[in-house]
Order: sequence, then structure tokens, then C-alpha cells
Amino acid sequence: LAKTTQPISMDSYEGQEVNITCSHNNIATNDYITWYQQFPSQGPRFIIQGYKTKVTNEVASLFIPADRKSSTLSLPRVSLSDTAVYYCPRISNFGNEKLTFGTGTRLTIIP
Amino acid sequence: NAGVTQTPKFRILKIGQSMTLQCTQDMNHNYMYWYRQDPGMGLKLIYYSVGAGITDKGEVPNGYNVSRSTTEDFPLRLELAAPSQTSVYFCASSLEPDDSGEQYFGPGTRLTVT
Repeated sequence: LAKTTQPISMDSYEGQEVNITCSHNNIATNDYITWYQQFPSQGPRFIIQGYKTKVTNEVASLFIPADRKSSTLSLPRVSLSDTAVYYCPRISNFGNEKLTFGTGTRLTIIP
Repeated sequence: NAGVTQTPKFRILKIGQSMTLQCTQDMNHNYMYWYRQDPGMGLKLIYYSVGAGITDKGEVPNGYNVSRSTTEDFPLRLELAAPSQTSVYFCASSLEPDDSGEQYFGPGTRLTVT
């Protein structure tokens, strides 16, 4: 059973870099690693996706080691508006292997 | 593009009533999904569809039904509403299968069953 594990919550001060790590047990060879962000009262929003090494976009960076058993979402110089829940969904083995969003990491940015 | 739209935004149902949550996407995505999110929890997949005419159960399908007669629409039907179905419901769609593609989410429908 593919499973991801991430911290339940994190706090950080404005302006700092925040790194959220997710472990990906039993990730399949052809699975991509994706991260989503969810603000209160909104649906999740795709942030970034990668297969291995490093991916960067205008929002975040994603670091994936060679063994792909973990990934780290890096948010540079966070602001109060980055307060949200961050998910690294896993592939569930029911049906046709669909994404399952766990409880995510609740990131709180402190002024 | 409007993306993924859901109606209604809010609804209160009495126990035993039925209703349909509407979901429409204008991105020509084949894949569509229904999730529920209970307070403080993650999302759980209810049903999904890989194309018009094809639907399948997710993790928590009991008490719900879906249909997919067109690429754009994926309504979720609640029969005999129960308090345990109080939740926020999100519809999503994707161009690729969800193990490699980005899912686009709607704004959600907040449902209360009393």
C-alpha cells in the first residue's frame, strides 16, 4: 500500500524559508509526486509536481532525492498569505489506484 | 474558462431528504472526481469518472450515486440524507489520470444535514 507521511502542523515566521517533508513509502516507479495547497473554505490548489531531482516554479521548489522515498516542498520567504494546509497526496490501492489526500500539514505563518 | 463550478454553495437538508450536487467543468477534461472533507480532516474520494458514461467507486461511496452523461457534467446524488453526510463536497477534474496530472478543484458545497 502506497502511503505518504507528513507533519501535522508547522509554524514559521514571515520572511523565512519553510521546508515541508513528505515520506513516500512504496511509491511506484511511474508515479509523480505532487503537492497541493488549501486555504480555508476553498478547494485544494495544485502547487508543484516532480518526478525526481529538483523542480522550481513561481510558487515553490520541490526536492526529490534519487531514491524518491521522500520529497521536500520549499516555500521561499513566506508571508501571512502562505498560511494554509499543504498536502502530498498518495496513491491509494483501492479501485484503479486513485489519489488520496490525508490530513496534510497545517502551516501557520506568524507575523 | 470558468474552470470547475459547483452549485449550490450551501445547503441544509433534513434527515431523509435527497438532493443533487451539481458540478460542471469547461476544460474538456476526461477525468472528474467527487471528494468530501469533514472538519479538520483531509479529502476522501467518493466517486470518480474517467470519461462520459464511465464511473467508479472511490473510498467512501455509500449513500451516494453519480452519473456522467456528458464530458462537462458530473452530478452527485445524495439519497436519504443522514447527519454523517454533513461535510464540504468538492468536485475536481483533470486532463490526465490523477497519478500524474494536476487536478482542478471547484469552490465546494457546504452541506448540513439536521
